[in-house]
Amino acid sequence: DAGVIQSPRHEVTEMGQEVTLRCKPISGHDYLFWYRQTMMRGLELLIYFNNNVPIDDSGMPEDRFSAKMPNASFSTLKIQPSEPRDSAVYFCASSQDRGGYGYTFGSGTRLTVV
Amino acid sequence: KQEVTQIPAALSVPEGENLVLNCSFTDSAIYNLQWFRQDPGKGLTSLLLIQSSQREQTSGRLNASLDKSSGRSTLYIAASQPGDSATYLCAVRPRGGKLIFGQGTELSVKP
Repeated sequence: DAGVIQSPRHEVTEMGQEVTLRCKPISGHDYLFWYRQTMMRGLELLIYFNNNVPIDDSGMPEDRFSAKMPNASFSTLKIQPSEPRDSAVYFCASSQDRGGYGYTFGSGTRLTVV
Repeated sequence: KQEVTQIPAALSVPEGENLVLNCSFTDSAIYNLQWFRQDPGKGLTSLLLIQSSQREQTSGRLNASLDKSSGRSTLYIAASQPGDSATYLCAVRPRGGKLIFGQGTELSVKP
């Protein structure tokens, strides 16, 4: 298995533009997590899905952020409109167990909003 | 509210030295605790998982301990190598909750 695949690796966009981050989890993993990492706040869980259904989105910072998982092999995190404070590394992870063992992280998307 | 703290924030040691990384958490009602490694520009790799009923876990040169009552965990690395250089993150899972990460310890092992 190629692991958790995220795209793009890097994204630079102008404030106000829509940004879409993509994730392909490991086949057979039924949990998918979106994290954001910044120097100031460290790693924060934004949202997670179980069997394609959003379970907890309490970490989503505001209505500008939305996430979908239309099927077991694909998820998106969208920011519209983007702001400079959204600049961070966004990680996707998948797991067979919500508890954390067996978490596999993708390499992340480094987002810069100018 | 559960908070996870890792000390020190950064550590530099010569190759071959044994070292200890510390993690503390404020609420002892946890389901498990996990140590991760993050290399620059990469995602996180799970190293060790300790369930709340366990006191320690070992994998190769790594040993992690858990003292729930005092809200502490340590990650012991024996005979450190330059390839161990990375950021090490501790994360706790509260009962019924989601993983909460510490800020990490950036380790540098000098040849």
